Amino acid sequence: GEQVEQLPSILRVQEGSSASINCTYENSASNYFPWYKQEPGENPKLIIDIRSNMERKQTQGLIVLLDKKAKRFSLHITDTQPGDSAMYFCAASGNYAQGLTFGLGTRVSVFP
Amino acid sequence: GPKVLQIPSHQIIDMGQMVTLNCDPVSNHLYFYWYKQILGQQMEFLVNFYNGKVMEKSKLFKDQFSVERPDGSYFTLKIQPTALEDSAVYFCASSSDRENTLYFGAGTRLSVL
Repeated sequence: GEQVEQLPSILRVQEGSSASINCTYENSASNYFPWYKQEPGENPKLIIDIRSNMERKQTQGLIVLLDKKAKRFSLHITDTQPGDSAMYFCAASGNYAQGLTFGLGTRVSVFP
Repeated sequence: GPKVLQIPSHQIIDMGQMVTLNCDPVSNHLYFYWYKQILGQQMEFLVNFYNGKVMEKSKLFKDQFSVERPDGSYFTLKIQPTALEDSAVYFCASSSDRENTLYFGAGTRLSVL
Protein backbone atom coordinates (compact mmCIF):
# COMPACT_ATOMS: atom_id res chain seq x y z
CA GLY A 1 0.00 0.00 0.00
CA GLU A 2 0.89 3.64 0.30
CA GLN A 3 0.86 6.23 3.08
CA VAL A 4 0.89 9.96 2.38
CA GLU A 5 1.67 12.61 4.96
CA GLN A 6 0.65 16.20 4.23
CA LEU A 7 1.67 19.35 6.06
CA PRO A 8 0.63 21.83 7.18
CA SER A 9 -3.01 21.10 7.94
CA ILE A 10 -3.87 24.80 8.01
CA LEU A 11 -2.19 27.59 6.09
CA ARG A 12 -3.09 31.28 6.28
CA VAL A 13 -1.36 33.55 3.80
CA GLN A 14 -1.68 37.16 2.81
CA GLU A 15 -2.99 37.90 -0.66
CA GLY A 16 -0.14 38.21 -3.12
CA SER A 17 2.26 36.04 -1.16
CA SER A 18 3.06 32.40 -1.91
CA ALA A 19 1.77 29.26 -0.19
CA SER A 20 3.62 25.97 0.06
CA ILE A 21 2.30 22.53 0.94
CA ASN A 22 4.52 19.53 1.46
CA CYS A 23 3.78 15.83 1.16
CA THR A 24 5.82 12.70 1.70
CA TYR A 25 5.08 9.17 0.59
CA GLU A 26 6.37 5.73 1.55
CA ASN A 27 6.10 3.49 -1.49
CA SER A 28 9.09 4.03 -3.76
CA ALA A 29 7.08 2.42 -6.59
CA SER A 30 4.60 5.32 -6.60
CA ASN A 31 4.98 7.21 -9.86
CA TYR A 32 2.06 9.62 -10.10
CA PHE A 33 1.40 12.59 -7.81
CA PRO A 34 -1.67 14.73 -8.42
CA TRP A 35 -2.94 17.70 -6.46
CA TYR A 36 -6.63 18.34 -5.97
CA LYS A 37 -8.44 21.49 -4.84
CA GLN A 38 -11.75 21.05 -3.06
CA GLU A 39 -14.14 23.88 -2.20
CA PRO A 40 -16.86 23.40 0.40
CA GLY A 41 -19.61 21.09 -0.84
CA GLU A 42 -17.93 20.49 -4.16
CA ASN A 43 -15.99 17.71 -5.80
CA PRO A 44 -12.20 17.63 -5.72
CA LYS A 45 -10.77 19.10 -8.90
CA LEU A 46 -7.40 18.18 -10.34
CA ILE A 47 -5.27 21.30 -10.54
CA ILE A 48 -1.85 19.93 -11.41
CA ASP A 49 0.00 16.63 -11.38
CA ILE A 50 3.51 15.34 -11.82
CA ARG A 51 4.87 11.96 -12.81
CA SER A 52 8.05 10.35 -11.61
CA ASN A 53 9.94 11.14 -14.82
CA MET A 54 9.86 14.85 -13.91
CA GLU A 55 11.22 16.93 -11.05
CA ARG A 56 9.34 20.16 -11.67
CA LYS A 57 6.16 21.25 -13.38
CA GLN A 58 4.56 24.67 -13.60
CA THR A 59 1.19 25.88 -14.79
CA GLN A 60 -0.79 29.09 -14.20
CA GLY A 61 0.65 30.18 -10.87
CA LEU A 62 1.21 26.63 -9.59
CA ILE A 63 4.53 24.87 -9.23
CA VAL A 64 5.00 21.26 -8.17
CA LEU A 65 8.33 19.77 -7.22
CA LEU A 66 9.17 16.09 -6.85
CA ASP A 67 12.18 14.70 -5.00
CA LYS A 68 12.08 10.95 -5.57
CA LYS A 69 15.12 10.29 -3.43
CA ALA A 70 13.51 11.91 -0.41
CA LYS A 71 10.03 10.66 -1.43
CA ARG A 72 8.76 14.17 -1.11
CA PHE A 73 6.65 16.40 -3.32
CA SER A 74 5.31 19.87 -2.87
CA LEU A 75 2.85 22.40 -4.24
CA HIS A 76 3.65 26.09 -4.42
CA ILE A 77 0.95 28.62 -5.14
CA THR A 78 2.53 31.88 -6.27
CA ASP A 79 0.76 35.25 -5.96
CA THR A 80 -2.17 33.87 -3.96
CA GLN A 81 -5.64 35.31 -4.52
CA PRO A 82 -8.88 34.99 -2.49
CA GLY A 83 -10.07 32.38 -4.98
CA ASP A 84 -7.19 30.14 -3.90
CA SER A 85 -8.84 29.65 -0.49
CA ALA A 86 -9.86 25.98 -0.35
CA MET A 87 -8.80 22.53 0.82
CA TYR A 88 -5.87 21.08 -1.07
CA PHE A 89 -5.11 17.38 -1.18
CA CYS A 90 -1.97 15.72 -2.40
CA ALA A 91 -2.09 12.11 -3.53
CA ALA A 92 0.20 9.35 -4.67
CA SER A 93 -0.34 6.24 -6.71
CA GLY A 94 1.81 3.35 -7.83
CA ASN A 95 -0.57 1.82 -10.32
CA TYR A 96 -4.07 2.24 -11.63
CA ALA A 97 -5.52 -0.62 -9.64
CA GLN A 98 -4.55 0.81 -6.28
CA GLY A 99 -6.24 4.10 -6.89
CA LEU A 100 -4.94 7.18 -5.19
CA THR A 101 -3.83 7.51 -1.57
CA PHE A 102 -4.65 11.00 -0.36
CA GLY A 103 -3.02 13.15 2.28
CA LEU A 104 -5.14 14.60 5.08
CA GLY A 105 -5.47 17.92 3.29
CA THR A 106 -4.39 21.50 3.85
CA ARG A 107 -6.93 24.23 4.45
CA VAL A 108 -5.56 27.34 2.74
CA SER A 109 -7.02 30.71 3.67
CA VAL A 110 -5.94 33.81 1.76
CA PHE A 111 -6.59 37.04 3.63
CA PRO A 112 -6.35 40.62 2.28
CA GLY B 1 -13.53 19.53 -18.49
CA PRO B 2 -14.83 15.96 -18.26
CA LYS B 3 -17.78 15.58 -15.89
CA VAL B 4 -18.73 12.72 -13.63
CA LEU B 5 -22.35 12.88 -12.46
CA GLN B 6 -23.55 11.43 -9.17
CA ILE B 7 -27.15 10.81 -8.19
CA PRO B 8 -28.54 11.59 -5.66
CA SER B 9 -26.57 14.41 -4.07
CA HIS B 10 -27.93 13.55 -0.64
CA GLN B 11 -29.52 10.36 0.68
CA ILE B 12 -30.97 9.83 4.14
CA ILE B 13 -31.64 6.27 5.17
CA ASP B 14 -32.44 4.23 8.27
CA MET B 15 -29.75 1.93 9.61
CA GLY B 16 -30.14 -1.59 8.26
CA GLN B 17 -31.74 -0.55 5.00
CA MET B 18 -30.17 -0.89 1.57
CA VAL B 19 -28.91 2.06 -0.41
CA THR B 20 -27.63 2.37 -3.97
CA LEU B 21 -25.45 5.26 -5.03
CA ASN B 22 -25.32 6.00 -8.74
CA CYS B 23 -22.50 7.35 -10.83
CA ASP B 24 -22.49 8.34 -14.48
CA PRO B 25 -18.80 8.38 -15.39
CA VAL B 26 -17.18 10.26 -18.24
CA SER B 27 -18.40 8.58 -21.42
CA ASN B 28 -15.17 7.12 -22.78
CA HIS B 29 -13.64 6.26 -19.43
CA LEU B 30 -12.88 2.66 -18.56
CA TYR B 31 -11.72 2.71 -14.95
CA PHE B 32 -14.11 3.53 -12.15
CA TYR B 33 -13.52 4.21 -8.49
CA TRP B 34 -15.39 4.89 -5.27
CA TYR B 35 -13.89 6.94 -2.46
CA LYS B 36 -15.30 7.68 0.99
CA GLN B 37 -14.80 11.00 2.76
CA ILE B 38 -15.87 11.58 6.34
CA LEU B 39 -16.47 15.25 7.12
CA GLY B 40 -13.22 17.15 7.45
CA GLN B 41 -11.03 14.20 6.56
CA GLN B 42 -9.28 13.00 3.45
CA MET B 43 -10.81 10.83 0.77
CA GLU B 44 -10.12 7.14 1.22
CA PHE B 45 -10.01 4.59 -1.56
CA LEU B 46 -12.75 1.99 -1.49
CA VAL B 47 -12.68 0.11 -4.77
CA ASN B 48 -11.54 0.13 -8.38
CA PHE B 49 -13.66 -1.42 -11.15
CA TYR B 50 -12.52 -2.24 -14.68
CA ASN B 51 -13.88 -4.41 -17.46
CA GLY B 52 -16.80 -5.58 -15.36
CA LYS B 53 -14.69 -6.64 -12.40
CA VAL B 54 -13.38 -5.35 -9.11
CA MET B 55 -9.65 -4.86 -9.60
CA GLU B 56 -8.72 -3.87 -6.11
CA LYS B 57 -10.48 -2.96 -2.89
CA SER B 58 -9.39 -1.54 0.43
CA LYS B 59 -10.22 -2.79 3.90
CA LEU B 60 -12.93 -0.10 4.04
CA PHE B 61 -14.82 -2.01 1.34
CA LYS B 62 -16.78 -4.21 3.72
CA ASP B 63 -18.70 -7.36 2.78
CA GLN B 64 -21.89 -5.28 2.83
CA PHE B 65 -20.58 -3.24 -0.12
CA SER B 66 -20.89 -4.22 -3.76
CA VAL B 67 -20.31 -2.48 -7.07
CA GLU B 68 -21.49 -3.11 -10.60
CA ARG B 69 -22.00 -1.43 -13.94
CA PRO B 70 -24.67 -3.41 -15.76
CA ASP B 71 -24.57 -2.97 -19.56
CA GLY B 72 -22.56 0.24 -19.48
CA SER B 73 -25.15 2.16 -17.51
CA TYR B 74 -24.60 3.70 -14.10
CA PHE B 75 -21.67 2.55 -12.04
CA THR B 76 -23.29 1.78 -8.69
CA LEU B 77 -22.23 1.30 -5.10
CA LYS B 78 -24.69 -0.72 -3.05
CA ILE B 79 -24.55 -0.99 0.72
CA GLN B 80 -26.73 -3.70 2.26
CA PRO B 81 -27.34 -3.42 5.15
CA THR B 82 -26.22 0.10 6.05
CA ALA B 83 -24.57 0.92 9.38
CA LEU B 84 -24.19 4.22 11.23
CA GLU B 85 -20.50 4.39 10.35
CA ASP B 86 -21.36 4.37 6.66
CA SER B 87 -22.43 8.00 6.97
CA ALA B 88 -20.02 9.96 4.76
CA VAL B 89 -19.71 11.57 1.37
CA TYR B 90 -19.07 9.02 -1.35
CA PHE B 91 -17.21 10.22 -4.39
CA CYS B 92 -17.19 8.41 -7.68
CA ALA B 93 -14.24 8.91 -10.02
CA SER B 94 -13.34 7.71 -13.46
CA SER B 95 -10.27 7.55 -15.59
CA SER B 96 -9.67 6.89 -19.28
CA ASP B 97 -6.40 5.10 -18.93
CA ARG B 98 -3.90 3.51 -16.68
CA GLU B 99 -2.16 6.82 -16.15
CA ASN B 100 -4.28 7.66 -13.17
CA THR B 101 -5.77 11.04 -14.07
CA LEU B 102 -8.95 10.75 -12.04
CA TYR B 103 -12.00 12.96 -12.46
CA PHE B 104 -14.33 13.13 -9.49
CA GLY B 105 -18.07 13.60 -9.27
CA ALA B 106 -19.69 16.03 -6.83
CA GLY B 107 -20.30 13.28 -4.29
CA THR B 108 -23.33 11.76 -2.60
CA ARG B 109 -23.77 12.65 1.05
CA LEU B 110 -25.11 9.54 2.78
CA SER B 111 -26.70 9.99 6.20
CA VAL B 112 -27.52 6.77 8.05
CA LEU B 113 -29.87 7.33 10.99
